[in-house]
Formats: sequence, structure tokens, C-alpha cells
Amino acid sequence: EVQLLESGGGLVQPGGSLRLSCTASGFTFNSYAMSWVRQAPGRGLEWVSAISGSGGSTYYSDSVKGRFTISRDNSRNTLYLQMSSLRAEDTAVYFCAKGNSGGHFFYFDYWGQGTLVTVSS
Amino acid sequence: QSALTQPASVSGSPGQSITISCTGTSSDVGGYNYVSWYQQHPGKAPKLMIYDVSSRPSGVSNRFFGSKSGNTASLTISGLQAEDEADYYCSSYRISNTQVFGGGTKLTVL
Repeated sequence: EVQLLESGGGLVQPGGSLRLSCTASGFTFNSYAMSWVRQAPGRGLEWVSAISGSGGSTYYSDSVKGRFTISRDNSRNTLYLQMSSLRAEDTAVYFCAKGNSGGHFFYFDYWGQGTLVTVSS
Repeated sequence: QSALTQPASVSGSPGQSITISCTGTSSDVGGYNYVSWYQQHPGKAPKLMIYDVSSRPSGVSNRFFGSKSGNTASLTISGLQAEDEADYYCSSYRISNTQVFGGGTKLTVL
């Protein structure tokens, strides 16, 4: 059974940093691209970032480019999102999601339950 | 990066059919056959319902049907059931290796 478990969310001040983790099980982790998708309170889904199965290619939305860094440790079956220069508008539930192949993320077939990040003073 | 356009809400009675539209551009919906649809119940994670415009993952009811014409994709749900009441999001691969979601549609089963 595929399982994705996010952690690391919490309350952080504007301008601060936070690192999210997503631990995966039930599939060959290094064979699949992974993504982060967020959802602000009461709002829709927003794609944030993706990384290839090998970790050699990374992709970002314009809204987080230059502030967030996606990475993965395939030996630990874990996906990360390092967030810095956080803004109030980054407040959201952050989901990790499994892509459909190693090099592509045309769709997301499994999702974690999400971790809440709140940016507030 | 503008979101895809979906109606804010749709409704239907049990047993009826409804269709949710998702309009993009030639850089996303119109340019690739990589449209997907997700169902999200309150407080839950999204669930993949349709991928590659019209393919259904194992376990998803054949009451869910996806299609595309030009820059607009559609999700049709037939034989509406109470458990179909949820938010539905379309998504598309977009040029330059990104993904874009629609704003979401709240489905109410009357």
C-alpha cells in the first residue's frame, strides 16, 4: 500500500524558514517524480514544486521560485521542501504527491494527508 | 501562472448527470493530453479520478468520464450519488514542466 506522510509544518514568523518532510512507503521511491502541492485555507489547490526520481531535475512555480528548494533522499525514501523568506500568503496545507513516472509528473496518483504551515507574527 | 477556469459550483439531483468544465490555453489543456481530475472531500487529501484526459485509475467508478475539446476539458459524473458531493479540481501539464490546477468546483447533490 502506498503511503505518504508529511511532517514539519507549524507556525513561523514572516521572513522565517521551515523544512517539510514527506516519508514514502509502498513503492519504489527513486522511480517516481514527486511534487508538493499546497492549499490555502478555504482556497483551491496550487502546484508548488516537483523533482524527478533521480533528484537531478527540479521545477518550481513562479510564486516560490528563489525562496523554496525541493530535494529528496532516495536512501531514506524522503522528500523535502526547504522554505525560506516565508510570507503570509504561503500559509497553507502542504501535500506531497507522487508523480506518474520517474521523469514526469503529468498527474498525481497518491497524496499524503498534508501538513499545515502558518506564517504569522 | 493563471489557474485553469472552472465553475465555482454545480449541482444535481441523485441519479442525474452533471458536467464540470475546465478551460485553459494552448500552453496547457489544449496543447497536451495530460489533463487530470481530483475529488476532495472536506478535510481530506485529493483523490485522483481521471488522468490523461479520459483514463480512470483502478477502483474509480465508470460513472466518472473525462473528455477534452480544444482548450476545454470536461468531467461528467453520471448517476449522481450522495457520496459524490465534494470539491473537484482539474489539472493540466503546462509548457516548461509545470502543473496548473483549476480553481475548483463545489458539487452539491440536492
